[in-house]
Amino acid sequence: NAGVTQTPKFQVLKTGQSMTLQCAQDMNHEYMSWYRQDPGMGLRLIHYSVGAGITDQGEVPNGYNVSRSTTEDFPLRLLSAAPSQTSVYFCASRRQAPWEATNEKLFFGSGTQLSVL
Amino acid sequence: DQQVKQNSPSLSVQEGRISILNCDYTNSMFDYFLWYKKYPAEGPTFLISISSIKDKNEDGRFTVFLNKSAKHLSLHIVPSQPGDSAVYFCAAPQRVGAGSYQLTFGKGTKLSVIP
Repeated sequence: NAGVTQTPKFQVLKTGQSMTLQCAQDMNHEYMSWYRQDPGMGLRLIHYSVGAGITDQGEVPNGYNVSRSTTEDFPLRLLSAAPSQTSVYFCASRRQAPWEATNEKLFFGSGTQLSVL
Repeated sequence: DQQVKQNSPSLSVQEGRISILNCDYTNSMFDYFLWYKKYPAEGPTFLISISSIKDKNEDGRFTVFLNKSAKHLSLHIVPSQPGDSAVYFCAAPQRVGAGSYQLTFGKGTKLSVIP
């Protein structure tokens, strides 16, 4: 039971380089999202998707693009990496977009540690 | 402005004693709260939750208390064990559009349980 799978686990980029962080879930979840975790800042939402073909911005979207062509995959693209994007990135998914049930919860991947030099 | 606040960045507790982690919120529309636990180099994992229609929810050694009038919740761990050493995040679902919610997190509290 894989859950939410993120690749790569570690990545080092030079300023200006581009790359894609991969995220896949095998739980047929409707909702997927990307968070970044920085020291003293907690978890901040970058982008989210409520279903295939539908994406929207979160709290800190600048410098990142997303797309959702399938239910399973939600890649995060850094178009031109900057040192400020050095962070740990987490992909997360949940069963459905509306928070309708009290047993609803968000499932996280194991994270991608990104360093931009 | 931060709607979910964890004002203690860290907490140290002796093994076997009680750990109390606190969380305050400002949005009175929040009606459900979750606690997540995160070990280094791993993703956060769900720990326990509480609905606003309750003031307490218990799961083994973990109990969450909710005081709606004070907009305050706390996570109690009794007895604390060294394996409980982790960062704990308080979170609440926030409506951001028609039929859409995002989970808003506090900044986390790092718990260290000393053997």
